[in-house]
Amino acid sequence: DADVTQTPRNRITKTGKRIMLECSQTKGHDRMYWYRQDPGLGLRLIYYSFDVKDINKGEISDGYSVSRQAQAKFSLSLESAIPNQTALYFCATSETGGRTYNEQFFGPGTRLTVL
Amino acid sequence: GESVGLHLPTLSVQEGDNSIINCAYSNSASDYFIWYKQESGKGPQFIIDIRSNMDKRQGQRVTVLLNKTVKHLSLQIAATQPGDSAVYFCAENASNQAGTALIFGKGTTLSVSS
Repeated sequence: DADVTQTPRNRITKTGKRIMLECSQTKGHDRMYWYRQDPGLGLRLIYYSFDVKDINKGEISDGYSVSRQAQAKFSLSLESAIPNQTALYFCATSETGGRTYNEQFFGPGTRLTVL
Repeated sequence: GESVGLHLPTLSVQEGDNSIINCAYSNSASDYFIWYKQESGKGPQFIIDIRSNMDKRQGQRVTVLLNKTVKHLSLQIAATQPGDSAVYFCAENASNQAGTALIFGKGTTLSVSS
């Protein structure tokens, strides 16, 4: 969905490096999410934010941190990347009290490889 | 453990057949469910949703059935086409759990052959 963009789309890095993945949205949604996707495991929630001052840990937050710089921007950081963080990362947004309850709109994904 | 799961990781069908993708959930407090479709190289896209006060909802070529008694959800695709080939995820949400987000199942890969 072009309304939710992620940068970079692909990244290869080395163990121990700090990495930031960025997400921007033009949908005007309050809520933003970060997921990781691994083969056979589906989507697992890392962090989510229901507004600029609200940050919540998801199922697998260890090793990650986030920053909600503005309503439209939500970045995910890996302070010291490790190989088992190699995965496909998705950002998503949803509208508070939207017509379709909690429907989430996903970005195109960032493929991260940690060597 | 997984709150939401799918019975089969893969499903292969012939073009024109009807497809049924199943999902079991464990949280009896969940009251909203969504089916997403993820094509190769793309993010998941919304297909259809259903609230717990309903047991059936229809869209264009798709129907979602909800059985709260056995905590089971299914997605039916009529006259399956090659363009339906993708990974399908179910997701659940419990509105009485303030501040929670969707929980996704592992996904079923649908392959449609001509």
